[in-house]
Amino acid sequence: GAGVSQSPRYKVAKRGQDVALRCDPISGHVSLFWYQQALGQGPEFLTYFQNEAQLDKSGLPSDRFFAERPEGSVSTLKIQRTQQEDSAVYLCASSLGLAGGEQYFGPGTRLTVT
Amino acid sequence: AQSVTQLDSQVPVFEEAPVELRCNYSSSVSVYLFWYVQYPNQGLQLLLKYLSGSTLVKGINGFEAEFNKSQTSFHLRKPSVHISDTAEYFCAVSGDAGGTSYGKLTFGQGTILTVHP
Repeated sequence: GAGVSQSPRYKVAKRGQDVALRCDPISGHVSLFWYQQALGQGPEFLTYFQNEAQLDKSGLPSDRFFAERPEGSVSTLKIQRTQQEDSAVYLCASSLGLAGGEQYFGPGTRLTVT
Repeated sequence: AQSVTQLDSQVPVFEEAPVELRCNYSSSVSVYLFWYVQYPNQGLQLLLKYLSGSTLVKGINGFEAEFNKSQTSFHLRKPSVHISDTAEYFCAVSGDAGGTSYGKLTFGQGTILTVHP
């Protein structure tokens, strides 16, 4: 595809359920970022991958959050035992890998925990 | 650590009027600066960026921004807005390539621009 895609676009989970959010970056992009955007807020950094290596996970809010990119392409963000405060839009972005380079964002996955 | 403050949460303007969206940042290292636009139910789209060189940066859709290092500001301007500019705008900062940064973005809270006919 031409851009970053994310699936599902919308996810409703009951409190305590596990969810998995998928990101397909632009082909050939080395860097992949996950951000969390709460309602009415700006996106906040969660984690960063350079190829398959997770170089920074300092933004993950708890050990219930886990991300992987095993082959350096598709990435999955997993949230275990979801809580209401996890409700947000989860954005994925990819870039060629150079600092200052444009990050291309996907449309996001809107997670609602009931 | 870096932070970004967008001084206005909402800016209403009439069509064809000029607009300025204000952004201030703080950082202990040299930075790159960005403005992104977000239309409803869509991802963020880059409007413009400042990396180095001329402090006046031109972007898409007629937008421009000026980097002011002494005032740590990066305000976004457009001389004449259209209805289609109605969206949410985010200012963002990252560390520059000279440090250990790899491009992680720190965003402001966003400014909702509403253009009225």
